[in-house]
Amino acid sequence: ETGVTQSPTHLIKTRGQQVTLRCSSQSGHNTVSWYQQALGQGPQFIFQYYREEENGRGNFPPRFSGLQFPNYSSELNVNALELDDSALYLCASSLQGGGNTIYFGEGSWLTVV
Amino acid sequence: QQQVKQSPQSLIVQKGGISIINCAYENTAFDYFPWYQQFPGKGPALLIAIRPDVSEKKEGRFTISFNKSAKQFSLHIMDSQPGDSATYFCAASDTGGFKTIFGAGTRLFVKA
Repeated sequence: ETGVTQSPTHLIKTRGQQVTLRCSSQSGHNTVSWYQQALGQGPQFIFQYYREEENGRGNFPPRFSGLQFPNYSSELNVNALELDDSALYLCASSLQGGGNTIYFGEGSWLTVV
Repeated sequence: QQQVKQSPQSLIVQKGGISIINCAYENTAFDYFPWYQQFPGKGPALLIAIRPDVSEKKEGRFTISFNKSAKQFSLHIMDSQPGDSATYFCAASDTGGFKTIFGAGTRLFVKA
C-alpha cells in the first residue's frame, strides 16, 4: 500500500463528455503527478502539480487540466472526451524534486464509448 | 533523447530460473533509475531503484545492474517464482526535472 488513493476506480463516459478524477497523496508528499497508461503500454506523463501550480506538462492537449488543493490532493479533468482517452489514469505522489521516487495509486479506469 | 527503451517485450521463464530485463537510455541527465512491478488491474509498485554512482544494487532476489558508460541498466530476478508473473517497467528521471520516463514494459510469465 502506497497511501495514494484514487477515485473512482472505474467509470464509463460517452464521447464528448467531461470527467473528473480525484487523488489523495501519501502523507507528507507535496507533489502530485498524473499519468495515462493505455492498455499494454507504459505510463505516460500528463502533468505535475506542486504548491497548487502546474510544475511541468507532458505531450497532452489543453483539454487535460488539473488542480492541486492546499492539502496536496489533486484532480484531473478531461474535457471533450475522445475514444482514445480510454485508459488507466494513475496518480503518483512524491516529494518535490525530480530524481525522487514516485508512488502510484491503483488508478482510475476510464472507458469512453 | 527522452526515451527509455526496454526489452524484451515478453519473457517466459521456468520456476527457479533467472529473469533478465534490459533497458537503455539516451539522456545523460538521468540520475535515478527505478523499476516498477505491475499486476493486472493494479497500479505500478516500486520494486527497486538505483542511482548511477553504483554499478549494482541487490534487494532479496532482485538485482539492478547499471552500466553508466553504455547507458544501460538491467533487472535480474533470481529464483523466479510464479508469483513474480507481472509486467515490469524500467524508468528514469533526473533531479532537476519533474517527470519520470517509463519503458514500454516487459510481461513476465514464470512457469510452475
